[in-house]
Amino acid sequence: AQTIHQWPVAEIKAVGSPLSLGCTIKGKSSPNLYWYWQATGGTLQQLFYSITVGQVESVVQLNLSASRPKDDQFILSTEKLLLSHSGFYLCAWSPGQGNQAPLFGEGTRLSVL
Amino acid sequence: AQSVTQPDARVTVSEGASLQLRCKYSYFGTPYLFWYVQYPRQGLQLLLKYYPGDPVVQGVNGFEAEFSKSNSSFHLRKASVHWSDWAVYFCAVSLLPGTGSNRLTFGKGTKFSLIP
Repeated sequence: AQTIHQWPVAEIKAVGSPLSLGCTIKGKSSPNLYWYWQATGGTLQQLFYSITVGQVESVVQLNLSASRPKDDQFILSTEKLLLSHSGFYLCAWSPGQGNQAPLFGEGTRLSVL
Repeated sequence: AQSVTQPDARVTVSEGASLQLRCKYSYFGTPYLFWYVQYPRQGLQLLLKYYPGDPVVQGVNGFEAEFSKSNSSFHLRKASVHWSDWAVYFCAVSLLPGTGSNRLTFGKGTKFSLIP
């Protein structure tokens, strides 16, 4: 069975500090990968998606970047955090073929102070 | 542009009562639609999905949804709710169905709670 793991579970960071969030999918080769952001009490906004290693498409510009260094890994990062980056970050995956519903990880809660 | 509207920000019913959560979509063509549930401080879990075919789809935990092209709707229903259903429910539409890249646009969510 496929599993998706996000790390860390939660972060408290200072404005202007760097950030790196990770997501790993096990048990599935060549998945499509997605990053979503959820403001507290809000809806989900897609940030990035990737259909293959080394290829990442940006959907919304929030002074964040994403990379896919390995087939099973998706990284979200920034060199300088803003207060507006606070929220809940969710990674999701779907099979590379077909139109299966994306399945989500447990998320990382980020507080920027 | 594709969009999803969940007109009810909050729905409250008594335990054992029936539930309907509304979802309206805007999409040129035949959409792929989904309902997800989010329990407090957790990620999203898939409840059910609609791909073109039977308009009534069954999901987990007794949930079902009905697709209506004429009404541009995909309402979620449950015959009898339980305390474990207390959560936020999101409706979503796939932006690029048929391409293998299943990117979703979400509604704002409906917070479902039970009357104590």
